[in-house]
Amino acid sequence: AQSVTQLGSHVSVSEGALVLLRCNYSSSVPPYLFWYVQYPNQGLQLLLKYTSAATLVKGINGFEAEFKKSETSFHLTKPSAHMSDAAEYFCAVSDTGANSKLTFGKGITLSVRP
Amino acid sequence: DVKVTQSSRYLVKRTGEKVFLECVQDMDHENMFWYRQDPGLGLRLIYFSYDVKMKEKGDIPEGYSVSREKKERFSLILESASTNQTSMYLCASSLDPSSYNEQFFGPGTRLTVL
Repeated sequence: AQSVTQLGSHVSVSEGALVLLRCNYSSSVPPYLFWYVQYPNQGLQLLLKYTSAATLVKGINGFEAEFKKSETSFHLTKPSAHMSDAAEYFCAVSDTGANSKLTFGKGITLSVRP
Repeated sequence: DVKVTQSSRYLVKRTGEKVFLECVQDMDHENMFWYRQDPGLGLRLIYFSYDVKMKEKGDIPEGYSVSREKKERFSLILESASTNQTSMYLCASSLDPSSYNEQFFGPGTRLTVL
């Protein structure tokens, strides 16, 4: 069975600082990986996805993530945090078969201090 | 753009009531999903459907049922609502096999059971 680990429940950074949100997965086969963002009282929105092409994936709003097979990681980064980045972030994994489900991590809340 | 809509953003029901949550997607997606989201637990899959009139149990189906009579509509039913079903409910859809299992989410329904 697949699983996703997002350590910690809350990260706080200053505006302009580096954002690093960690995600580790377990999967018996090379997976698809996703980061979603959820703003208050909204649904989830896709930030970026890894689909076995380039290992460094660029997403919306200046976010990017790097797939590292040896570390089974897919950490999300942004060089300079903005106040509007405050939200909850979810990492998810899927195997590459058709009709596969997503398995989500527990999510991590990002706060941005002025 | 894919649009997934949910019938209510906020809903208050009483214990024992039958509750219907409706979800509609407008992009002819085969797959539809119902999740519940609770603080610290992330998203947990309740039921999903890969085709009309087809349904499969997810990780936490107890106390819920679903209906998919038309491709674009997927309903979640709480036969007899209980207070432990107070939660945020999220609907999602995806198009396989070309979409890498990416799911598109609705805005969510926050259900309170009194």
